[in-house]
Amino acid sequence: QKEVEQNSGPLSVPEGAIASLNCTYSDRGSQSFFWYRQYSGKSPELIMFIYSNGDKEDGRFTAQLNKASQYVSLLIRDSQPSDSATYLCAVTPGGSYIPTFGRGTSLIVHP
Amino acid sequence: GAVVSQHPSWVICKSGTSVKIECRSLDFQATTMFWYRQFPKQSLMLMATSNEGSKATYEQGVEKDKFLINHASLTLSTLTVTSAHPEDSSFYICSALGQTTEAFFGQGTRLTVV
Repeated sequence: QKEVEQNSGPLSVPEGAIASLNCTYSDRGSQSFFWYRQYSGKSPELIMFIYSNGDKEDGRFTAQLNKASQYVSLLIRDSQPSDSATYLCAVTPGGSYIPTFGRGTSLIVHP
Repeated sequence: GAVVSQHPSWVICKSGTSVKIECRSLDFQATTMFWYRQFPKQSLMLMATSNEGSKATYEQGVEKDKFLINHASLTLSTLTVTSAHPEDSSFYICSALGQTTEAFFGQGTRLTVV
């Protein structure tokens, strides 16, 4: 069973702080890693993807991948109340094109 | 990112009737489409994977005769919920995969069966 684990939260951070969201996965052969944001009642929206070890930055978002430790994280700098949502981690296991989703972490950014 | 359009965004139907949901990739060719179901405050549940021109692959526990999936072209997949019952009420979401590894989601369809 290929698993993707996330803490369900909620993670509560003050406005302007850095929010750190973590995800671990079980399949060591996984190749592709994604972060989606899902607002309540809406469908998921892709915000970041990363394939190689290290950091990838896009605006206020930074994805970090550590394949040796089998975790991927998402940092949100200067968090805004509009960032309040559920963040889904998705991993494409080795030899598959079907993403496996975590259960998501609820983020609350309070003013 | 790529655009995936799902229609309708919400539908109410009577118990026993069938409902068709469409999922279109607007600016890319989707070789694979996924159909998910999501109950309130629950995680995404993959129902089936469909490849253009092939029969869909259903996840364990999903009734293929109840949830009919057609992927006749590279830009369109449909999910038909047949003989819908109140327990089928849920949020149905499609996602599409093209030549890259990123999957893009449609807007979702909220189905209510009364």
